[in-house]
Amino acid sequence: DAGITQSPRHKVTETGTPVTLRCHQTENHRYMYWYRQDPGHGLRLIHYSYGVKDTDKGEVSDGYSVSRSKTEDFLLTLESATSSQTSVYFCAISPRGAPTDTQYFGPGTRLTVL
Amino acid sequence: AQKVTQAQTEISVVEKEDVTLDCVYETRDTTYYLFWYKQPPSGELVFLIRRNSFDEQNEISGRYSWNFQKSTSSFNFTITASQVVDSAVYFCALSQGGSEKLVFGKGTKLTVNP
Repeated sequence: DAGITQSPRHKVTETGTPVTLRCHQTENHRYMYWYRQDPGHGLRLIHYSYGVKDTDKGEVSDGYSVSRSKTEDFLLTLESATSSQTSVYFCAISPRGAPTDTQYFGPGTRLTVL
Repeated sequence: AQKVTQAQTEISVVEKEDVTLDCVYETRDTTYYLFWYKQPPSGELVFLIRRNSFDEQNEISGRYSWNFQKSTSSFNFTITASQVVDSAVYFCALSQGGSEKLVFGKGTKLTVNP
């Protein structure tokens, strides 16, 4: 199994509060990704990183920001959480990125915004 | 544009039956990669297989087999002699050059009954 952990694994928060989710890897992979999974939508890319301090937007990036100050950590921040951001969030890692490399996923974080 | 269609939303079989999960993709690129992931009830995403667009050989891994046909843009997944532990949601995904995102289908929920 790829060495990926996510914290917290579960979180309940209120609308308007900031939330930060953490992804930590022990594989020293260059690429890291944040996806959200919602019923009927499969998984959708929020943001990704291709190196320390190098990030880019995915297809559903509005309302989210990311940071990567170390190779092993990729943070996803909801500046002001909304109920539409209730979802399961998955982090993924990849050695060299798309399209050639497989993305390996972390265990997920279930976020509920009340 | 990239798109992955998994037309079967849910499938229910009895143990030991064979079952095929369909995946149809759309892409304009000649170089692309196709993936299957398994999401058991515990929620994690488990990588099963990656196939590139230049390799149309079918692949077999134990009870699992994959049939890649470029002529019909399909990458179907067959489980032979299904078992209860195969119960999960299965996702097909597509990756192509110029984009870091994996495009996922909406998944097929497989239930294997004893």
